[in-house]
Amino acid sequence: DAGVIQSPRHEVTEMGQEVTLRCKPISGHDYLFWYRQTMMRGLELLIYFNNNVPIDDSGMPEDRFSAKMPNASFSTLKIQPSEPRDSAVYFCASSKGLAAGYFGPGTRLLVL
Amino acid sequence: AQSVTQPDIHITVSEGASLELRCNYSYGATPYLFWYVQSPGQGLQLLLKYFSGDTLVQGIKGFEAEFKRSQSSFNLRKPSVHWSDAAEYFCAVGAWDNFNKFYFGSGTKLNVKP
Repeated sequence: DAGVIQSPRHEVTEMGQEVTLRCKPISGHDYLFWYRQTMMRGLELLIYFNNNVPIDDSGMPEDRFSAKMPNASFSTLKIQPSEPRDSAVYFCASSKGLAAGYFGPGTRLLVL
Repeated sequence: AQSVTQPDIHITVSEGASLELRCNYSYGATPYLFWYVQSPGQGLQLLLKYFSGDTLVQGIKGFEAEFKRSQSSFNLRKPSVHWSDAAEYFCAVGAWDNFNKFYFGSGTKLNVKP
């Protein structure tokens, strides 16, 4: 298995632009998570899905952030408009059943 | 509320020495506990997990961890550290009533001296 796949691996954009991060979970996994990692706040859970349905989005920082999972093999995290404080590494993770999340390599986002 | 504390931000050990990374959690019931490792520029890799049963769990890469309920701890150990173990280590707790929602500690960066 290829593991969790994330794209792009790196993204540099200007403030105000829309950013879309993509994730392909491991086949057969029914949970998908989006995390954000910063030096100041560490790892934060943003949102997670079960069987493509958003279960808890209480970690999404504000309305500028949105996430979708149109099918079992694809999810997006969108930031519109982006701000410099959104600069972070964004991880996608997936799991099947009981928690043992497999993480992707992350997307390093820099908003100028 | 659940929380995870890793009191050591940085630890330096010599290659071949033993290692113990501390993790304390706060939770009202038996939690699910995890240790992850993150190498520079990489995602997190699961080292081991505890759900129930034997309180000493074995993981990959020669790591083990012991769940001590009385101390609310889940410390990670390795008898002999290799230079390739230099990385950041994260302890995480999963809630019983929402087991797929993790709470991560702030991480411990391990440096290995030759």
